[in-house]
Amino acid sequence: GAVVSQHPSRVICKSGTSVKIECRSLDFQATTMFWYRQFPKQSLMLMATSNEGSKATYEQGVEKDKFLINHASLTLSTLTVTSAHPEDSSFYICSAMFSRDQPQHFGDGTRLSIL
Amino acid sequence: GQNIDQPTEMTATEGAIVQINCTYQTSGFNGLFWYQQHAGEAPTFLSYNVLDGLEEKGRFSSFLSRSKGYSYLLLKELQMKDSASYLCAVRNSGAGSYQLTFGKGTKLSVIP
Repeated sequence: GAVVSQHPSRVICKSGTSVKIECRSLDFQATTMFWYRQFPKQSLMLMATSNEGSKATYEQGVEKDKFLINHASLTLSTLTVTSAHPEDSSFYICSAMFSRDQPQHFGDGTRLSIL
Repeated sequence: GQNIDQPTEMTATEGAIVQINCTYQTSGFNGLFWYQQHAGEAPTFLSYNVLDGLEEKGRFSSFLSRSKGYSYLLLKELQMKDSASYLCAVRNSGAGSYQLTFGKGTKLSVIP
């Protein structure tokens, strides 16, 4: 069964709206979660690394003020896309690992469409 | 930086065996992972190697040679449902982050 739950699976909204995506680890505590973005026919690009109780580490070129990450507990990380625009339309995927010698497990992803 | 190369597309016949290669250049290597991704879905974990050699899991096997910066994923007894993209990813332990860097993926088409 799934070990990482991501919600919602799909969002369609107007330009300027802020969208929150939740990522939960099920049955394990994840000190580290990762947020990726995938454009059509491209590979996954890491956006940020989310550490419980501390600020997220963003990859170069990812705007911290636009993509707000909160990792308030060991089982929940959230990504908020603020004032989303059509160019933010993409497939957003989170992952979590429960120990550093284990693979990352991915949520089902969120398909975001900004009109 | 890191550089990961894998073929863009492959086609194979149902019931056959296919090998998907992946070469990489990285510093701070801490494991190579293979994921399967069906169109419109998130990746699912298949296999990973930290040490040299072959790891077998049912119809899937993965091989790693760290000295050559090379890995392959072997799929046996191909089924139509194996049509998907296969992502090679390298884990880097630099700065303690244990991040994954993904290749662009190999789209496998299984034909009857």
